[in-house]
Amino acid sequence: QQQVKQSPQSLIVQKGGIPIINCAYENTAFDYFPWYQQFPGKGPALLIAIRPDVSEKKEGRFTISFNKSAKQFSLHIMDSQPGDSATYFCAASQSSGSARQLTFGSGTQLTVLP
Amino acid sequence: DAMVIQNPRYQVTQFGKPVTLSCSQTLNHNVMYWYQQKSSQAPKLLFHYYDKDFNNEADTPDNFQSRRPNTSFCFLDIRSPGLGDAAMYLCATSRAGEVGNQPQHFGDGTRLSIL
Repeated sequence: QQQVKQSPQSLIVQKGGIPIINCAYENTAFDYFPWYQQFPGKGPALLIAIRPDVSEKKEGRFTISFNKSAKQFSLHIMDSQPGDSATYFCAASQSSGSARQLTFGSGTQLTVLP
Repeated sequence: DAMVIQNPRYQVTQFGKPVTLSCSQTLNHNVMYWYQQKSSQAPKLLFHYYDKDFNNEADTPDNFQSRRPNTSFCFLDIRSPGLGDAAMYLCATSRAGEVGNQPQHFGDGTRLSIL
């Protein structure tokens, strides 16, 4: 069964801390790994994404680290702010005919304390 | 801005009474998806359209149907909603063709309540 395992389920950090969310996958057919940020009452919004031929990608305060051999990837949020408090989903994507099959992790609820 | 728009944001229906949720997009994407998201869970794919080709997930109940009359619009029909169908329903779009680089753009969802 195709799965993406995400941990931790919840995370509380102080403002300025560096929360790290980890994900692992099994299916080597996955070729694209996006992270989504979801606020209550909103749809998931694409935050940052990486392809498996890249080991690290930074966009602003958000960094993805990717370890292809271990089939693991993680999200780091530098200088975290209370406005970053949200649920974060990692995902893995592969082609499914002409569409993209997106498999989500179970989500991490992040709270950044002021 | 180009967007995925879902209407209504909140929908209340009675047990067993058919309900239709709608989604429109200005992105001109050829793929549209419907997801179900229950509280504190990840979104679960119900089905998707590639243009007019309908693709149903194996575990999507027959109670859920969809229509896509044109590129911009897609509808989710729940024929006989049960209490277990109360959830957030998310519409998403993507553009087929570029391997590995097509994120799905999500709407803000319709929260469905069943009385």
